[in-house]
Amino acid sequence: DAEITQSPRHKITETGRQVTLACHQTWNHNNMFWYRQDLGHGLRLIHYSYGVQDTNKGEVSDGYSVSRSNTEDLPLTLESAASSQTSVYFCASSGGGDRAYNEQFFGPGTRLTVL
Amino acid sequence: GNSVTQMEGPVTLSEEAFLTINCTYTATGYPSLFWYVQYPGEGLQLLLKATKADDKGSNKGFEATYRKETTSFHLEKGSVQVSDSAVYFCALRGGADKLIFGTGTRLQVFP
Repeated sequence: DAEITQSPRHKITETGRQVTLACHQTWNHNNMFWYRQDLGHGLRLIHYSYGVQDTNKGEVSDGYSVSRSNTEDLPLTLESAASSQTSVYFCASSGGGDRAYNEQFFGPGTRLTVL
Repeated sequence: GNSVTQMEGPVTLSEEAFLTINCTYTATGYPSLFWYVQYPGEGLQLLLKATKADDKGSNKGFEATYRKETTSFHLEKGSVQVSDSAVYFCALRGGADKLIFGTGTRLQVFP
């Protein structure tokens, strides 16, 4: 069965370190998204990609970067981790095109703690 | 810009009670609307959706009707179960497949 996976599921790091969160999908979806989930804010879009070599900034992109070298993967990098980036991170993918009912499929999440 | 407003939680109910979770939106045009559910320790799953005015989305006993005149998409269920305890997110599809989420409403159902 097709799926979307994230790794690691839990990560503790220190302020100033570079951290990369992995996202891998086997749906063969064009679109991939990274969100962060914080209490009182719901999910906020960090970065997204509509295909290989395409990346775009979302609502809360400062301090984060992504790259898309193939269809399956969209790793999220925190260049220099800050305590404000302690959060739960979700990756999602969708089939693309302009279908009004496009469903996004979500990974299980990565809980990141920055000390 | 586009936005979604949900009622604050937690919503606490006894099993078999009627559920309503309010959701209103602000958007240009006619966005598609979604309800996602997040069970403890898991990612989000699509619960139901509606793509145009007066559409009713339904799944697992949950329903929501796209009301253009009141810009609302309230989630309802006639008889909740303990297994429905989760966080529910209302969302709209903005331009080019991006989702805009509400802040989420936690539902707790007790036996």
